[in-house]
Amino acid sequence: DGGITQSPKYLFRKEGQNVTLSCEQNLNHDAMYWYRQDPGQGLRLIYYSQIVNDFQKGDIAEGYSVSREKKESFPLTVTSAQKNPTAFYLCASRRGSTAGGYTFGSGTRLTVV
Amino acid sequence: AQTVTQSQPEMSVQEAETVTLSCTYDTSESDYYLFWYKQPPSRQMILVIRQEAYKQQNATENRFSVNFQKAAKSFSLKISDSQLGDAAMYFCAYRSAIYNQGGKLIFGQGTELSVKP
Repeated sequence: DGGITQSPKYLFRKEGQNVTLSCEQNLNHDAMYWYRQDPGQGLRLIYYSQIVNDFQKGDIAEGYSVSREKKESFPLTVTSAQKNPTAFYLCASRRGSTAGGYTFGSGTRLTVV
Repeated sequence: AQTVTQSQPEMSVQEAETVTLSCTYDTSESDYYLFWYKQPPSRQMILVIRQEAYKQQNATENRFSVNFQKAAKSFSLKISDSQLGDAAMYFCAYRSAIYNQGGKLIFGQGTELSVKP
């Protein structure tokens, strides 16, 4: 079955370390997105990519980096420059047409220890 | 920039009753999409209902319906015959129909719905 796989489900990071969250889709979707979820703030866009080898910053890109070397994969790196990385991270993908619906992954919970 | 506002952080409804969740948005665009997503404790995002701005008819999906008021920029969700499984966080979201906007979703802050048996 097609879908989006995020891994790991839970991730612990020591302060000062970079960590990478994985997001893989087999839906042949063109666009992929990373959102951060904090209590009381809804979901906020970190980065998005509409085609391979191209991506744009969202509203809260500082302290994060991404790559889009393959259509299926859109990994998110949380760098040591992100001052408050503890959050729930959701990846999503969408067909390229404007009418295309979203498919969400099951999320990664990142905790700084 | 577009914004989405959900002014009810928490709502409660008795099982089998009806509840309405509010959402307002701000945009200067005329063509866009509006969504309601449900996030249960599993945290999986589930699409509840979707509305195209160019359609005047309100969308309906079984027990879920919307009241879309384009001029007022309001998009409320009505849940009829509430069930225990409806308990979740509900998010209102906006998406521009303009391609170079990236198809990104802009979310409200969410409304936590509890259903009392």
